[in-house]
Amino acid sequence: GAVVSQHPSWVICKSGTSVKIECRSLDFQATTMFWYRQFPKQSLMLMATSNEGSKATYEQGVEKDKFLINHASLTLSTLTVTSAHPEDSSFYICSARHYRVPQYFGPGTRLTVL
Amino acid sequence: DAKTTQPNSMESNEEEPVHLPCNHSTISGTDYIHWYRQLPSQGPEYVIHGLTSNVNNRMASLAIAEDRKSSTLILHRATLRDAAVYYCILRYNGGSQGNLIFGKGTKLSVKP
Repeated sequence: GAVVSQHPSWVICKSGTSVKIECRSLDFQATTMFWYRQFPKQSLMLMATSNEGSKATYEQGVEKDKFLINHASLTLSTLTVTSAHPEDSSFYICSARHYRVPQYFGPGTRLTVL
Repeated sequence: DAKTTQPNSMESNEEEPVHLPCNHSTISGTDYIHWYRQLPSQGPEYVIHGLTSNVNNRMASLAIAEDRKSSTLILHRATLRDAAVYYCILRYNGGSQGNLIFGKGTKLSVKP
């Protein structure tokens, strides 16, 4: 299957700082990228959907000013958690899709905010 | 999006077949049935998807009921590496629309 990478795989930061997570589709051009969040023992929750060159569409309840998403190219999307707080600690997973092919997921980024 | 219903957990013995059921009684004609699995601390992995006909790939088989209100993911010989949470998801596959919305899935345990 297609390969999606994320960087970093884990990050620890102090409360109030911002953290950027990168998501890359390595062997295909992703027309649409997605960001999910997963808390321990829970299922994945879709945060936002972005198409290359367009503004992201956020799910209800997700603060767009706190979770900044940039999808600047067909192979790269970034999620920036601004002014992170301990309650933002979670497992963040990106996903990418090219039109109708299956959606492929990255390995996830574990964020811990102290 | 139409919802799916899966058992919370299932157990299997190693090297035996596993049948993971999924009910989706409100499925629409344009919904594809997708299966993903997630190992601990990893992103979900695509397993298989289908619309009406049964599908086979190197990982699994997907059996879809004639009325499409249910489906079954079949792992032909379970291994310890198949222990994961399996998600059955419906997605409208027309063009670029349709997001994958995850339910709780089925946690599969495989005993040696």
